[in-house]
Amino acid sequence: KAGVTQTPRYLIKTRGQQVTLSCSPISGHRSVSWYQQTPGQGLQFLFEYFSETQRNKGNFPGRFSGRQFSNSRSEMNVSTLELGDSALYLCASSPGQFNDEQYFGPGTRLTVT
Amino acid sequence: EDQVTQSPEALRLQEGESSSLNCSYTVSGLRGLFWYRQDPGKGPEFLFTLYSAGEEKEKERLKATLTKKESFLHITAPKPEDSATYLCAVPLGQKVTFGTGTKLQVIP
Repeated sequence: KAGVTQTPRYLIKTRGQQVTLSCSPISGHRSVSWYQQTPGQGLQFLFEYFSETQRNKGNFPGRFSGRQFSNSRSEMNVSTLELGDSALYLCASSPGQFNDEQYFGPGTRLTVT
Repeated sequence: EDQVTQSPEALRLQEGESSSLNCSYTVSGLRGLFWYRQDPGKGPEFLFTLYSAGEEKEKERLKATLTKKESFLHITAPKPEDSATYLCAVPLGQKVTFGTGTKLQVIP
């Protein structure tokens, strides 16, 4: 099976702009989670989608949003970018239950200047 | 408060020098504990799932064990290619919470 894919892999944006990141889960996986990883904070949970519904959301401002499509592919959007949003954004898919193991994509490295 | 704590933060071993990484948790009603390996600039790679105290899982030089309060990742005779950050994670509520990881460096 193909693994989780994320596009783009690298992105450079300017403060105030917005960005959309894409994730394609492993075939058959219905749950997609998003994480932000920074050297200081580690892996921080952003949100999780299952069957096009957001089931859980982490402690991030409303500038961070996401959605899931009927084919389980997911996108996340960050509006009004801040310097502190520079991070590795990781997508993970799992078969369905929240206590299943997760399979991660390679991540999107976002740099905000 | 539910928490996941890993120690040590960093560990430097000589090739062949066995050691253990610790993941302690304070969760009522554990529904699973996961171990991942992460190489620099890449996404975490799933290693093991443990569900109940006393359970053990092995993969090559790695063995994960679970008690009621903590999990250990034992590394036997490590090689330089085992150098990575090892993360543990626990379902807390309806999301998965990760520890901050142990950065392992194995010196040839």
